[in-house]
Amino acid sequence: QVQLVQSGAEVKKPGASVKVSCRASGYSFTSHDISWVRQAPGQGLEWMGRISAYNGHTNYAQEFQGRVTMTTDTSTSTAFMELRSLRSDDTAVYFCTRDDSSGWYEFDYWGQGTLVTVSS
Amino acid sequence: SSELTQDPAVSVALGQTVRITCQGDSLRNYYASWYQQKPGQAPVLVIYGENNRPSGIPDRFSGSSSGNTASLTITGAQAEDEADYYCHSRDSSPNHHSVFGGGTKLTVL
Repeated sequence: QVQLVQSGAEVKKPGASVKVSCRASGYSFTSHDISWVRQAPGQGLEWMGRISAYNGHTNYAQEFQGRVTMTTDTSTSTAFMELRSLRSDDTAVYFCTRDDSSGWYEFDYWGQGTLVTVSS
Repeated sequence: SSELTQDPAVSVALGQTVRITCQGDSLRNYYASWYQQKPGQAPVLVIYGENNRPSGIPDRFSGSSSGNTASLTITGAQAEDEADYYCHSRDSSPNHHSVFGGGTKLTVL
């Protein structure tokens, strides 16, 4: 069965960086994109960007351009999302999702989420 | 425009039918997908494409679309359907970014 397993919770100081991992299993990793979505406390879902696990091509939301880097390691079927220059309003749960970019564009599987807390 | 608009809250009596709507220009070109999220959990895909349900999603969930509006209908709402619901689609920008609606809190009375 398809699973996306994310790394554990992080606490960071303002200005620092965080790197969240997402290990995929149960399908051919390079056959789907991975999107990252975050959710601030009590707020809605916010799409951050996507990466092709096939060729590494990225597509970032305007709000995160210059501050986010998404990568993959096909040898371990793992996707990574690094966010730099953290601010308090980056405190959120970060989800990785399998992105069906060649079908109906839905997010059919989700990781369990990683809480990133930014606090001095 | 890259925005999707949802009503913040909707309520339905147990066993009745409820429709949750999502409006946005991108819906003229892309189907919406719909996600159910319960407190402390990751979102779950419930409807995608023209009206497709992933395995394990009850058939009381259905989707439809007309013009710039997509709808999620729950026919015979159950107590366990109480949750937040989010619509999503690609937007009409050259890079085909993704966008979510603000979410609808469904209360089952």
